[in-house]
Amino acid sequence: GAVVSQHPSWVICKSGTSVKIECRSLDFQATTMFWYRQFPKQSLMLMATSNEGSKATYEQGVEKDKFLINHASLTLSTLTVTSAHPEDSSFYICSAESGGTQPQHFGDGTRLSIL
Amino acid sequence: DAKTTQPTSMDCAEGRAANLPCNHSTISGNEYVYWYRQIHSQGPQYIIHGLKNNETNEMASLIITEDRKSSTLILPHATLRDTAVYYCIVRVRNTDKLIFGTGTRLQVFP
Repeated sequence: GAVVSQHPSWVICKSGTSVKIECRSLDFQATTMFWYRQFPKQSLMLMATSNEGSKATYEQGVEKDKFLINHASLTLSTLTVTSAHPEDSSFYICSAESGGTQPQHFGDGTRLSIL
Repeated sequence: DAKTTQPTSMDCAEGRAANLPCNHSTISGNEYVYWYRQIHSQGPQYIIHGLKNNETNEMASLIITEDRKSSTLILPHATLRDTAVYYCIVRVRNTDKLIFGTGTRLQVFP
């Protein structure tokens, strides 16, 4: 149980392109989903927290107009990197939790490379 | 949230127990200790969590000291597939934000 699916697993695109990453909780309803970014040889950095049906809460230094988050249902959140540039190349990871006594569970990440 | 301190790296022989320590001396009474691990190029995997009692599941055991200022994650019979970065995190249950530190890089060798 507690499976989180992330798609795509990797993407390569040209500079200036917008890229959408999906995060789905497959066997539970996720009241809260989280988006992290991880650069090589570094730890995970929380970007934003989203609750179903409300606006995401962004961490300090994360541009909300650059990283658009939509949490349209209890099983799906999307992260759109708008007008991506090479410095946005990173490993993006989502997680989800159902609240109550359950821990967060993570997707397998999306490796984004901007040329 | 309270901060945690972990050794940067550890080695363990395959088949032996791996004991990963974590210091959380400023932990609050309502903060839980969570352990996750991240195998290279994958998302973090939940291992175990606890408040003050020792916990055990199919993956590991968590030993929390009586004063709750430190804990140890025990992998009873380490395998090569347990090679990963292990993160010890404290947070209040049912709230958001897992803040990842630098973790412990565990290398299991044959």
